[in-house]
Amino acid sequence: AQKITQTQPGMFVQEKEAVTLDCTYDTSDPSYGLFWYKQPSSGEMIFLIYQGSYDQQNATEGRYSLNFQKARKSANLVISASQLGDSAMYFCAMRGGKLIFGAGTRLAVHP
Amino acid sequence: SAVISQKPSRDICQRGTSLTIQCQVDSQVTMMFWYRQQPGQSLTLIATANQGSEATYESGFVIDKFPISRPNLTFSTLTVSNMSPEDSSIYLCSAVKLADIYNEQFFGPGTRLTVL
Repeated sequence: AQKITQTQPGMFVQEKEAVTLDCTYDTSDPSYGLFWYKQPSSGEMIFLIYQGSYDQQNATEGRYSLNFQKARKSANLVISASQLGDSAMYFCAMRGGKLIFGAGTRLAVHP
Repeated sequence: SAVISQKPSRDICQRGTSLTIQCQVDSQVTMMFWYRQQPGQSLTLIATANQGSEATYESGFVIDKFPISRPNLTFSTLTVSNMSPEDSSIYLCSAVKLADIYNEQFFGPGTRLTVL
């Protein structure tokens, strides 16, 4: 069975600082994908970044990077130079066959 | 990419009634899914909508409560039957272009349902 764990219900960060959102996973599938989504208060799901289980390098997309440590089964999201608009819920997700989500982390960026 | 629209965007319903939510994708997709997001919670997969055959339901969800149709490669409906206040949630339609782990999964804007 697949499982995604996000242990930080809420995080605070000062504007322009970097923040790391934690995600650990468990699966017996050798092939899987790891995703991060952002959900602002409007409710839409915004895709941020993806990491494949066989990817050798950590994924990066602009200010977002994914710290992938396969042996530890972790896929933490790093947001650099935080902006006020980054305040939202962040979900880690994994797809083996189906896409399943972690509980989410609510990020608040303070000016 | 794929753009997904849902109707209605929100609704307030009486207990015991049913609501059908429509999901339209702007291009053909391989797989379509329905998720539920209860207030303050994460997304939970209800079922995979299969074209031309019965949907595949996750544990805890049954066809009698959440009948799903998918008549073609771009459209699906989810019905929430015999509603109770516990069904108050956001229901999200989702789709992938290709059925492999490497493809982004797209989401509709959601249908916000309140049951009185």
